[in-house]
Amino acid sequence: GNSVTQMEGPVTLSEEAFLTINCTYTATGYPSLFWYVQYPGEGLQLLLKATKADDKGSNKGFEATYRKETTSFHLEKGSVQVSDSAVYFCALRDLFKLSFGAGTTVTVRA
Amino acid sequence: DGGITQSPKYLFRKEGQNVTLSCEQNLNHDAMYWYRQDPGQGLRLIYYSQIVNDFQKGDIAEGYSVSREKKESFPLTVTSAQKNPTAFYLCASSITGQGSYEQYFGPGTRLTVT
Repeated sequence: GNSVTQMEGPVTLSEEAFLTINCTYTATGYPSLFWYVQYPGEGLQLLLKATKADDKGSNKGFEATYRKETTSFHLEKGSVQVSDSAVYFCALRDLFKLSFGAGTTVTVRA
Repeated sequence: DGGITQSPKYLFRKEGQNVTLSCEQNLNHDAMYWYRQDPGQGLRLIYYSQIVNDFQKGDIAEGYSVSREKKESFPLTVTSAQKNPTAFYLCASSITGQGSYEQYFGPGTRLTVT
């Protein structure tokens, strides 16, 4: 079946550092791909998405490009802030539902 | 404001008791979902519903039950048959269809069973 694998955390960074969270997927066809973010004690919020190969999703300084050749959808941000501390989930659309990665906890220190 | 509400935010129950978690949405979405989240793990799908009066089991449905009598509401009952009910429960909704429709999540209910 379709599945997502994302890099394990936790990840700890200093403010203004570069962030990359790796995500690879296994799927038949070309499913839509998503990054969600979860702040402490809250539900998930959609961060960005891409619906086809070579699409780039972007939001709040975060970017991810749908790479068919490497079956990847890595999340990047050039300069993180303390407020970016959260858990990040990669997900793919599998028919009527989403399949999630295990989540990566990111802590940004001032 | 459109969105998804889950209540209560924190819920405590004794072992052996059934408990029902509420989920309401005013986004006019046909599809609704229940997920369970455990520390260090991703979200696991419990049940989902594509339309009123219809629902399907997800990956971990054992020990849970749902109903979908109204478009806006999708309550989840955690029964005494669920072996490890303590977890964070998230409800979501979306438009139906084969498109790239994202799911919108509620704030979650943290259930503790002792």
